[in-house]
Amino acid sequence: NAGVTQTPKFRVLKTGQSMTLLCAQDMNHEYMYWYRQDPGMGLRLIHYSVGEGTTAKGEVPDGYNVSRLKKQNFLLGLESAAPSQTSVYFCASRTGGYGYTFGSGTRLTVV
Amino acid sequence: AQSVTQPDIHITVSEGASLELRCNYSYGATPYLFWYVQSPGQGLQLLLKYFSGDTLVQGIKGFEAEFKRSQSSFNLRKPSVHWSDAAEYFCAVGINNDMRFGAGTRLTVKP
Repeated sequence: NAGVTQTPKFRVLKTGQSMTLLCAQDMNHEYMYWYRQDPGMGLRLIHYSVGEGTTAKGEVPDGYNVSRLKKQNFLLGLESAAPSQTSVYFCASRTGGYGYTFGSGTRLTVV
Repeated sequence: AQSVTQPDIHITVSEGASLELRCNYSYGATPYLFWYVQSPGQGLQLLLKYFSGDTLVQGIKGFEAEFKRSQSSFNLRKPSVHWSDAAEYFCAVGINNDMRFGAGTRLTVKP
């Protein structure tokens, strides 16, 4: 019962570097989400997907790109990392209802 | 503006005491309402949810929440707090295709 798996769990980037965070779910969920969590701000939605091949912007999409080429995977990309993108990133997935399942998070530091 | 507000950033209670965490929302329609708990270094776990019907909902770990439409509130309660309840608690609303979170309330439990 893997649920939602995020890789990597930790990463340190230098300003200007790029990276991709992978989210994989094995529950056949249609909807997938990427959030960032910052102290005192809760979770803020970056991008989401309502199905394979679709993506949409959330509250804070700038500086990020996403792709959903396969139903089970949702990738979050940072093309040119900035210190402001230091955060904990959470992926989530759900079915048609609101039964979200969250991954355990990726802690990203940009120096 | 649409928002989810958790007025208390940090609450400290003694073990065995009762607990109430506040949540207010401002959305035009009654959204779906949720409470999540996050232990340090972990993802979010769903405590309970309200979609419709009985305004007092029961959740896991002995938590309950009451929806009050007139006050746009969905406060979380527990009659007797255990040391293991120390964590951060997030209120969230589900609306359209995503979920919006409050900033969180950190709960400290004194022995």
